[in-house]
Amino acid sequence: KNQVEQSPQSLIILEGKNCTLQCNYTVSPFSNLRWYKQDTGRGPVSLTIMTFSENTKSNGRYTATLDADTKQSSLHITASQLSDSASYICVVSAKGGGADGLTFGKGTHLIIQP
Amino acid sequence: KAGVTQTPRYLIKTRGQQVTLSCSPISGHRSVSWYQQTPGQGLQFLFEYFSETQRNKGNFPGRFSGRQFSNSRSEMNVSTLELGDSALYLCASFIGLAGGTGTDTQYFGPGTRLTVL
Repeated sequence: KNQVEQSPQSLIILEGKNCTLQCNYTVSPFSNLRWYKQDTGRGPVSLTIMTFSENTKSNGRYTATLDADTKQSSLHITASQLSDSASYICVVSAKGGGADGLTFGKGTHLIIQP
Repeated sequence: KAGVTQTPRYLIKTRGQQVTLSCSPISGHRSVSWYQQTPGQGLQFLFEYFSETQRNKGNFPGRFSGRQFSNSRSEMNVSTLELGDSALYLCASFIGLAGGTGTDTQYFGPGTRLTVL
């Protein structure tokens, strides 16, 4: 069964600090991995997408890494800001599937404190 | 380019009633997917429509149904509402099939918050 596990479930850090969120997956055959940011009461917004051959992708202060061998991904946030407070969802796509081929993690709830 | 729109944004219903939610995808996008999001389960796939045809369906009871119109707009219907149907319902649009090998982005709408009393 395809699964995506995210850790930690929740995280509180001070503004200006860095943090790293983890995503482990067992999805086969692997197509791509996406990180989404979801503000409270809003829909998820795509941050990065990585295919099998990519091991790092940046989007401003967000940097995602992918290790396809160990089936792990991380999302690193640099110099956090209050607006980074949100849930971060890891989504892994199985090759050849439609939307039913997407496996969603339950997300990491990040709180940035001033 | 306008984003994905969903109406209504908030809805309160009582058990046994039915509800219809609407989603308008980004112009030119032909794929619309629906998801149920609850705090304990995260996002759960409901179904996907592409060119007016249901292409994929998640593991939800038959009370959940949907359709897509020729202009790609989609509606989702839930009949005989239960307390457990309270959730944020998200739709997402994509230019093609969402989970394929492409790296195009799936764009989510703001969601409809359904509360069943």
